[in-house]
Amino acid sequence: EPEVTQTPSHQVTQMGQEVILRCVPISNHLYFYWYRQILGQKVEFLVSFYNNEISEKSEIFDDQFSVERPDGSNFTLKIRSTKLEDSAMYFCASTGRNNEQFFGPGTRLTVL
Amino acid sequence: SQQGEEDPQALSIQEGENATMNCSYKTSINNLQWYRQNSGRGLVHLILIRSNEREKHSGRLRVTLDTSKKSSSLLITASRAADTASYFCATAPVWSSARQLTFGSGTQLTVLP
Repeated sequence: EPEVTQTPSHQVTQMGQEVILRCVPISNHLYFYWYRQILGQKVEFLVSFYNNEISEKSEIFDDQFSVERPDGSNFTLKIRSTKLEDSAMYFCASTGRNNEQFFGPGTRLTVL
Repeated sequence: SQQGEEDPQALSIQEGENATMNCSYKTSINNLQWYRQNSGRGLVHLILIRSNEREKHSGRLRVTLDTSKKSSSLLITASRAADTASYFCATAPVWSSARQLTFGSGTQLTVLP
């Protein structure tokens, strides 16, 4: 069964460093998303991406964040200068025509 | 309450019993989806119910949707210890074509063997 994959599973970085989180959405899906979940808190929407551009973004998704689909399969989230409060689980998701949204296993980002 | 709030926050039952979790939301939705999350792990998609549907089944899962009350329920029948997890409802807004999801705080279900 097709699934969303994410790498790495765990990323540790120093405050101020740039990180790139990678995702491979399900191949025939059209919409791609990034969410985050701070430990013990709700899953929060960051950004959605369709037709090679951002379609929606939340207040969390400020200028420090960017997304890219560099080729036909990968979807990346870049955080330019990480802060302590960026520590969270980051989930990639994708949606097909029936609107079912499937999530990847997540990347746990730890900012020291 | 906030969009997509689950009730109860925690539920503990014996194996074999049924578990019912409720979700309330505030704005008009296109669909509502239920997810399971084991501690520290990813979100597993369980079921999607559209705004024009009232009930849906998938295996031991039964989901209802009442758009007039802006509420949904997830019933897990004949629960197993492996059903122990957090369960979240998530709503997709009617106003956005991107259908990004707004999640609730979740219900922590513990099934005792």
